Amino acid sequence: DIQMTQSPSTLSASVGDRVTITCRASQSISSWLAWYQQKPGKAPKLLIYKASSLESGVPSRFSGSGSGTEFTLTISSLQPDDFATYYCQQYNSYYITFGQGTRLEIK
Amino acid sequence: QVQLQESGPGLVKPSGTLSLTCAVSGGSISSSNWWSWIRQPPGKGLEWIGEIYHSGSTNYNPSLKSRVTISVDKSKNQFSLKLSSVTAADTAVYYCARVVGGSGSDPWGQGTLVTVSS
Repeated sequence: DIQMTQSPSTLSASVGDRVTITCRASQSISSWLAWYQQKPGKAPKLLIYKASSLESGVPSRFSGSGSGTEFTLTISSLQPDDFATYYCQQYNSYYITFGQGTRLEIK
Repeated sequence: QVQLQESGPGLVKPSGTLSLTCAVSGGSISSSNWWSWIRQPPGKGLEWIGEIYHSGSTNYNPSLKSRVTISVDKSKNQFSLKLSSVTAADTAVYYCARVVGGSGSDPWGQGTLVTVSS
């Protein structure tokens, strides 16, 4: 199994801040990583795929980077709508796994 | 655009079988995509259950494999999930999603809460 570990688990930040969430894989997954945003009571929304490709319609303040085992999701200037939980997902293997999630809350 | 909608009983008895269907609209289930099930226990993270291709090929989460069956009905443009021998630990919101080759999962259904209780 490929384990995905996100850090931090919770992040407190203010509108306008630049924030970074990290996701580490227990073995190399090349660039087969996606990031999702989930708001309470809603389904996850795809933000980034192939580690750094921005899904259509997603604001450009979201960006992803990394390859191999270490990946980051960066929000360049937090907006009120961005406070949510973020998950990474690896799809390198036939057994897809998610990180445990990072809750981004208002400071 | 493609939309997915889960349906099925919201309450299942312990030791019973959970059965859900995901209806695909706005596109064909026979397109070059996999179709997956993911669940989320209340207040917890996401767990991938498994996926199916229109040919019937499947991949399952090893921890659930002995209890899971995912099938496809091309005539109805839908796919289904069966999870047997359920316990309270299987209580979760169940989502279906399209897996776009190499590009993650999108879109997702709205999710349906299934509670395992007597």
